[in-house]
Amino acid sequence: GQNIDQPTEMTATEGAIVQINCTYQTSGFNGLFWYQQHAGEAPTFLSYNVLDGLEEKGRFSSFLSRSKGYSYLLLKELQMKDSASYLCAVTDSNYQLIWGAGTKLIIKP
Amino acid sequence: DVKVTQSSRYLVKRTGEKVFLECVQDMDHENMFWYRQDPGLGLRLIYFSYDVKMKEKGDIPEGYSVSREKKERFSLILESASTNQTSMYLCASSPGTDYNEQFFGPGTRLTVL
Repeated sequence: GQNIDQPTEMTATEGAIVQINCTYQTSGFNGLFWYQQHAGEAPTFLSYNVLDGLEEKGRFSSFLSRSKGYSYLLLKELQMKDSASYLCAVTDSNYQLIWGAGTKLIIKP
Repeated sequence: DVKVTQSSRYLVKRTGEKVFLECVQDMDHENMFWYRQDPGLGLRLIYFSYDVKMKEKGDIPEGYSVSREKKERFSLILESASTNQTSMYLCASSPGTDYNEQFFGPGTRLTVL
C-alpha cells in the first residue's frame, strides 16, 4: 500500500527553528508537495521538490532525498502566524497525489 | 489569479435530505477533486474527474455521487445525507500536466442533523 508518515503534532517557540519530517512509501515518485493549512481554511501551496536537495523560499525550506523516501520542511524565525497544519503530499507513478495526515504546529510565545 | 470557488462556506441539512455541493474553477484545469477532511484523518479523496463527463471513485465514494457536465464545474451530491457525513468538504483542481499542484476552494463545512 501507499503510505505517508508525518508527526501528528509539534510545538516550537516564536523566533526558533522547527523541522517537520515526512517519510513516504509510494508506487513510484513524481514529486513532493508541502502545503500549509490554517484552522478552518483550505490548504495552500508552500513548496515542491522533484529532485534531491534543498529548495529555499524565504523563511521556509524543503529538502528531499528520493533514495531514502524522506523529506523535511524547515521553518526559520518562527512567527505566531506559522501556527497551522503542514501537509506532505507525494505524486505517485500514476500522477495521483497521495496525502499525509498533516502535522499540527503549535507556536508558543 | 487562480481561483476555485465553492457554493457555500457553511451548510446545515437534515438526515435524509439530498445535498448538492458546487465547485467552480476559472483556470481551465483538466482535473477536479472532492475531498472530505475530518480531525486526525487528513484529506480523504471522495471522487475525482480528469475530463468533462468523466468521473473516478476515490478512497471513500460510498454515499456520494458527482457530476461534471462542464469543464469548470464539479458537483458533489449526497443522495441521502447522514450524520456521519458531517465534515469539511474541499474541492480542488489541477492542470492536466505532470506538475499536478492542486488548488483548493475555501471549503464547505457541512453539518447533518
